[in-house]
Amino acid sequence: GAVVSQHPSWVICKSGTSVKIECRSLDFQATTMFWYRQFPKQSLMLMATSNEGSKATYEQGVEKDKFLINHASLTLSTLTVTSAHPEDSSFYICSAREGTGSGETQYFGPGTRLLVL
Amino acid sequence: AQSVTQLGSHVSVSEGALVLLRCNYSSSVPPYLFWYVQYPNQGLQLLLKYTSAATLVKGINGFEAEFKKSETSFHLTKPSAHMSDAAEYFCAVRRGINKFYFGSGTKLNVKP
Repeated sequence: GAVVSQHPSWVICKSGTSVKIECRSLDFQATTMFWYRQFPKQSLMLMATSNEGSKATYEQGVEKDKFLINHASLTLSTLTVTSAHPEDSSFYICSAREGTGSGETQYFGPGTRLLVL
Repeated sequence: AQSVTQLGSHVSVSEGALVLLRCNYSSSVPPYLFWYVQYPNQGLQLLLKYTSAATLVKGINGFEAEFKKSETSFHLTKPSAHMSDAAEYFCAVRRGINKFYFGSGTKLNVKP
């Protein structure tokens, strides 16, 4: 299957700082990528849909000014957690969409664990 | 609203035994259905997907799932569990272009 990478795999930062997480599709082009967060022992919750060359679409309840998404190329989307606080500590997972219609599949990155002190 | 229900947050089987992980969806029309596996501290890996081509879908690592419209189910099975199958499994449904809805997950424990 297709490969999606994330960097960094884990990050620890101080409260008030900003953290950038990269999501890359390594062997295919993805016009659409997705950002999820996963709290311990819970399922994935979609945060936003990242579209190449346009603004991201955020799910209800997700602060777009806090979670900045940039999808500058067909293989890279970035999520920046601005002014991070301890409650932002979570496992962030991106996915990239490959194919269209019935053949469409989302491939997930390995995740980034964020700990805000 | 689209939702996915996974019955049993924890399932424990003996090595070599049948694995059955349950997933039911709610939808007025057959959706696209997926099973993903997540190992500790890792992202999700696609096991298999149903796209209406065939009701019995075979995936990687010996897993398969059967779509049953009458039961609105898409249960995941494997005839013989291996220790390496211990992980968390997520059922997901896709509706439209962007929306993936995940179940709450089932943690599979395989006993030696």
